[in-house]
Amino acid sequence: ILNVEQSPQSLHVQEGDSTNFTCSFPSSNFYALHWYRWETAKSPEALFVMTLNGDEKKKGRISATLNTKEGYSYLYIKGSQPEDSATYLCAFGNYGQNFVFGPGTRLSVLP
Amino acid sequence: NAGVTQTPKFQVLKTGQSMTLQCAQDMNHNSMYWYRQDPGMGLRLIYYSASEGTTDKGEVPNGYNVSRLNKREFSLRLESAAPSQTSVYFCASSERDMGAANEKLFFGSGTQLSVL
Repeated sequence: ILNVEQSPQSLHVQEGDSTNFTCSFPSSNFYALHWYRWETAKSPEALFVMTLNGDEKKKGRISATLNTKEGYSYLYIKGSQPEDSATYLCAFGNYGQNFVFGPGTRLSVLP
Repeated sequence: NAGVTQTPKFQVLKTGQSMTLQCAQDMNHNSMYWYRQDPGMGLRLIYYSASEGTTDKGEVPNGYNVSRLNKREFSLRLESAAPSQTSVYFCASSERDMGAANEKLFFGSGTQLSVL
């Protein structure tokens, strides 16, 4: 079973702060990395699909980077808003295997 | 746009009871999945179906069975529920065969299951 880690487990930020968190995954046989946003009482929804080393993706105030050689991805949120409060999940895809999810980072943005 | 529809949303069972969780998707996806979510852990794959007519075990299949009824529907059955199966269950589907680089998962709304 592949080990996918996320840090921190949870964090609280003030509205307007920028923040980032990390997904760590095995650096061998990389195939794809996904980021999902999971709001309370809703379903997880895909934010980004990343496939190449050095990939950078952006959607509004949220962006992500990927380093497949060292096995990590960063998710950045600029100017956090209360509606950004959610659990952010990453999922690592390896050749020939199922996607493995990390435990998530729970973000709370305080107004 | 229904997407992935999952029922029921909540269920309470007694130990030893059986039940089936239903899942249907209207996106013509080949692959469908059942996950469970437990506190402090990532989504863990129970079973998946890469295409109509096939099913395979995931990471935590013990105590569960599945049926890919047709391309749209993928059900999860607990034959004899145990307290360790108390969890939140998610059904998901994806556009391509499992493992494709551009695959992303579409999730149902989840089932909160408690086994007493």
